[in-house]
Amino acid sequence: DQQVKQNSPSLSVQEGRISILNCDYTNSMFDYFLWYKKYPAEGPTFLISISSIKDKNEDGRFTVFLNKSAKHLSLHIVPSQPGDSAVYFCAAYTGNQFYFGTGTSLTVIP
Amino acid sequence: EAQVTQNPRYLITVTGKKLTVTCSQNMNHEYMSWYRQDPGLGLRQIYYSMNVEVTDKGDVPEGYKVSRKEKRNFPLILESPSPNQTSLYFCASSLQVWNEQFFGPGTRLTVL
Repeated sequence: DQQVKQNSPSLSVQEGRISILNCDYTNSMFDYFLWYKKYPAEGPTFLISISSIKDKNEDGRFTVFLNKSAKHLSLHIVPSQPGDSAVYFCAAYTGNQFYFGTGTSLTVIP
Repeated sequence: EAQVTQNPRYLITVTGKKLTVTCSQNMNHEYMSWYRQDPGLGLRQIYYSMNVEVTDKGDVPEGYKVSRKEKRNFPLILESPSPNQTSLYFCASSLQVWNEQFFGPGTRLTVL
């Protein structure tokens, strides 16, 4: 059973606009959450993380929001750039294990 | 250059022929892990290791073995591969389990 879900397989956004990627989870024991970005033929690379005790973390153009009551996580990219086009995975951690979502393919249109 | 390397990058084999995919990191990381990526299923953790000689099962360990005899190496062993193990495999490492993970470039395995 998928404990971390990304219900949107793909998203297209105009350059300069905001990209919002969503992630839902079922396990309330997750300690922290991470976002990874993946280009074709490469391994995922870390983007940003957030502890379960926080509700927001910001790093440059990237902001992650955590809504524990809704068990929902979102990644905001502002402004979106063509180089942001990639597959984005959300992941959650508990008990020394990581659980990943199925990924959302973001296309930023120039 | 800090990196995680995997070999081979591509492998086509036949059912039942034992194989090993190597993984090595040069960052002195404690935590290492193997994942498989399948369409519609995302990344799923196969095995992980908290340190030398300490390994544990992830979400999908069936049909796989690992060992951690040295800190830098974490090979994935398929003793009797089957077609349902055809997948894209990633090795990853992090300084500690709660830190960001660095991923290798992936190994595409096809079992006929």
